[in-house]
Amino acid sequence: DAGVTQSPTHLIKTRGQQVTLRCSPISGHKSVSWYQQVLGQGPQFIFQYYEKEERGRGNFPDRFSARQFPNYSSELNVNALLLGDSALYLCASSPATQKGEAFFGQGTRLTVV
Amino acid sequence: AQRVTQPEKLLSVFKGAPVELKCNYSYSGSPELFWYVQYSRQRLQLLLRHISRESIKGFTADLNKGETSFHLKKPFAQEEDSAMYYCALSLYSGAGSYQLTFGKGTKLSVIP
Repeated sequence: DAGVTQSPTHLIKTRGQQVTLRCSPISGHKSVSWYQQVLGQGPQFIFQYYEKEERGRGNFPDRFSARQFPNYSSELNVNALLLGDSALYLCASSPATQKGEAFFGQGTRLTVV
Repeated sequence: AQRVTQPEKLLSVFKGAPVELKCNYSYSGSPELFWYVQYSRQRLQLLLRHISRESIKGFTADLNKGETSFHLKKPFAQEEDSAMYYCALSLYSGAGSYQLTFGKGTKLSVIP
């Protein structure tokens, strides 16, 4: 089992551009969550999806959006990129709406210049 | 507001010495607390959860509701314990779903 996979691993974008990050959960896991990790900080919750529905949203602007597909993979979209969006974006999957047991991907390092 | 505080950014101990990584939380409800660990060049992974009261790799953590703490302890540190440790609080975010609130993390360095 490859675990949670994310693509791409690294990305460089210009301010104002849009970006799409992708995540494939562990087989059988129906819940996917997204976290942003800025250098020197712990991961910060962005979204949770379960059975293709948004089940939770963190304190992020509307420029951030996500969706989950029938195969339970997920995409995170960020519009109108700002320099402050530069971070490691982590995807995590859980077998159900578990209380805290999350399996993390290796992350996508986004740099906005 | 819910918050997780890890007061130490860096903790250095000698091999064989006891380790205690501190975690304090702020939450009005009944907390579900976890420790996650990230070894060098590896992904973030669950180390242990308070509800199972288990010992993983020699680490234990006891929830102290009176002191709102969930400190991670190990009696004898090993070099392979060197890693980044995050304390996390699971919060109900509606519709049967939960989200994790993480502390800023503590980097543990075990000196040979």
